[in-house]
Amino acid sequence: QQPVQSPQAVILREGEDAVINCSSSKALYSVHWYRQKHGEAPVFLMILLKGGEQKGHEKISASFNEKKQQSSLYLTASQLSYSGTYFCGTEGTGRRALTFGSGTRLQVQP
Amino acid sequence: SQTIHQWPATLVQPVGSPLSLECTVEGTSNPNLYWYRQAAGRGLQLLFYSVGIGQISSEVPQNLSASRPQDRQFILSSKKLLLSDSGFYLCAWSVTRPPNTEAFFGQGTRLTVV
Repeated sequence: QQPVQSPQAVILREGEDAVINCSSSKALYSVHWYRQKHGEAPVFLMILLKGGEQKGHEKISASFNEKKQQSSLYLTASQLSYSGTYFCGTEGTGRRALTFGSGTRLQVQP
Repeated sequence: SQTIHQWPATLVQPVGSPLSLECTVEGTSNPNLYWYRQAAGRGLQLLFYSVGIGQISSEVPQNLSASRPQDRQFILSSKKLLLSDSGFYLCAWSVTRPPNTEAFFGQGTRLTVV
């Protein structure tokens, strides 16, 4: 079952922060985050495994609450290069292929 | 290092014509392989995945099929395309052993059925 992402779209000014949420109705083994630029393939950002761990990549970090089956992606001090569509991908405890949310379109303006 | 090749990059096909998209992975063995489709402005829909040669799992019923004739080759096919088959098709691979199961995507094929 497809995870639910929110918000669907967000517009920021450079330097502002944003949070993107991802929730699932099923028990999760891991959550993945990807960013896709227009017309390009998605690029892996980070993976979070069950255990509530938090990971970071430059000024982008994420958390995973396995009890609530939710993950959040935190973008701090956003840069123009952060623009794109962010997808969360979830892997169930049965460990089948990644199922992706519908994406969050992020636009960072000067 | 591992690389993934997907071709063609763009394709325009008439309704009712056959389809064959190919994907190959280099630099790894026994990868998990995936086909995803992305409609314009939409999310990534998993179509097929494979954990080994000849092992294909289908996620959605449709007129598409997939085959894995070799360890690092994944093919998406159709006998008769529909207008609704238009979209951005992405092949991806991942390692089979956890925990680092991140997916690496090819550059995609933009298919337009006319």
